[in-house]
Amino acid sequence: DADVTQTPRNRITKTGKRIMLECSQTKGHDRMYWYRQDPGLGLQLIYYSFDVKDINKGEISDGYSVSRQAQAKFSLSLESAIPNQTALYFCATSGGRGGETQYFGPGTRLLVL
Amino acid sequence: KQEVTQIPAALSVPEGENLVLNCSFTDSAIYNLQWFRQDPGKGLTSLLLIQSSQREQTSGRLNASLDKSSGRSTLYIAASQPGDSATYLCAVSAGFGNEKLTFGTGTRLTIIP
Repeated sequence: DADVTQTPRNRITKTGKRIMLECSQTKGHDRMYWYRQDPGLGLQLIYYSFDVKDINKGEISDGYSVSRQAQAKFSLSLESAIPNQTALYFCATSGGRGGETQYFGPGTRLLVL
Repeated sequence: KQEVTQIPAALSVPEGENLVLNCSFTDSAIYNLQWFRQDPGKGLTSLLLIQSSQREQTSGRLNASLDKSSGRSTLYIAASQPGDSATYLCAVSAGFGNEKLTFGTGTRLTIIP
């Protein structure tokens, strides 16, 4: 089984709808991240969490919210989806001991009509 | 604000050739630099991580170098194979215990059989 899983893998929604993207990890890591990837723009950090009680905004948090339900679960919500939120969304985890890599999920492809 | 640039955006080479991918960053105060591989429809896989105090890292046919003072890194791939075809991303982290990553936009590599 994959260490970092994301659901759903693909989602089509309409403008104004609220949607939630979920991430689960079995690596026992404290730190979790949400990124979005747009063609030609690389990955941009949306939110990150260094433990269950610590949540921080990233570069592009407007229009998004997150919830860290447990060490292993980190959800990203779009309260009212808009077309320019169409993108590929990645969840990642890291151990937080400094100098470690991040482990990425397979991504969720979101299309907002 | 840290900016990471990767040139070229796309590269095609015949199988068996050695090749170099380039990454540059504007702020030399980095903690580490990582190279990732991204396959279509999949997440990112970490290839090599270089700490700021290191000059290079090697894994199999891959060698990554880091010149922190000049803000540059290269990923050298020896004896390229069709299976190396993917998008390669470099990313830098801000500091110890702060593994937020700033990504480049990637180089899409195609190895021609």
